[in-house]
Amino acid sequence: QSALTQPASVSGSPGQSITISCTGTSSDVGGYNYVSWYQQYAGKAPKVLIYEVTDRPSGVSDRFSGAKSGNTASLTISGLQAEDEADYYCSSYTSSSTYVFGTGTKVTVL
Amino acid sequence: EVLLVESGGGVVQPGGSLRLSCAASGFRFDDSTMHWVRQSPGKGLEWVSLITRHGVTTYYADSVKGRFTIYRDDSKNSLSLQMNSLRTEDTALYYCAKAETYDSSWIDFWGQGTLVTVSS
Repeated sequence: QSALTQPASVSGSPGQSITISCTGTSSDVGGYNYVSWYQQYAGKAPKVLIYEVTDRPSGVSDRFSGAKSGNTASLTISGLQAEDEADYYCSSYTSSSTYVFGTGTKVTVL
Repeated sequence: EVLLVESGGGVVQPGGSLRLSCAASGFRFDDSTMHWVRQSPGKGLEWVSLITRHGVTTYYADSVKGRFTIYRDDSKNSLSLQMNSLRTEDTALYYCAKAETYDSSWIDFWGQGTLVTVSS
């Protein structure tokens, strides 16, 4: 099972919007609406931001939103803030009943 | 409050074995699907294994299949990962994690991890 493909880094200025892509196959991202996104600060455990492609758990800012088209999912961060500087990972359920994470994206706030 | 506390990490030689444990509290452990996820130093997250509620079914990443075994003791609210035939590429911080519900596709709580180093 190969890792989902994410850009290594994305940057933006405060207040801007950025989008992180997550590309898989029809056996994972494209085949199920079971894509989730996690935020991880250095030295900390990950935290879920989005589940089932578009849903946000309670307590997560509405500046985070998810979408999917074909085999590619995406996470958009609107109104970028300094506190958004972290690593971001997508994850998908697969046709083997397993899970796979993305390669990870480092977000830098300029 | 949900708590997941991993233990059992350490330094082991290639080919050796190690058993990781995760003590869970603050939720209905026996009704929860549990995962192990690992992260090599400076690298990304890698899903390792899951066990469904009551231990009915287990799944493994191809990279550990046949070498690792996940199991649970619901009477002790404990999750374990038996790791055999360890390789240098198994060096990582191993997280115990809980699915949001027994059939959820996402993780809502993570432990702080236990570090496994495979080195001669």
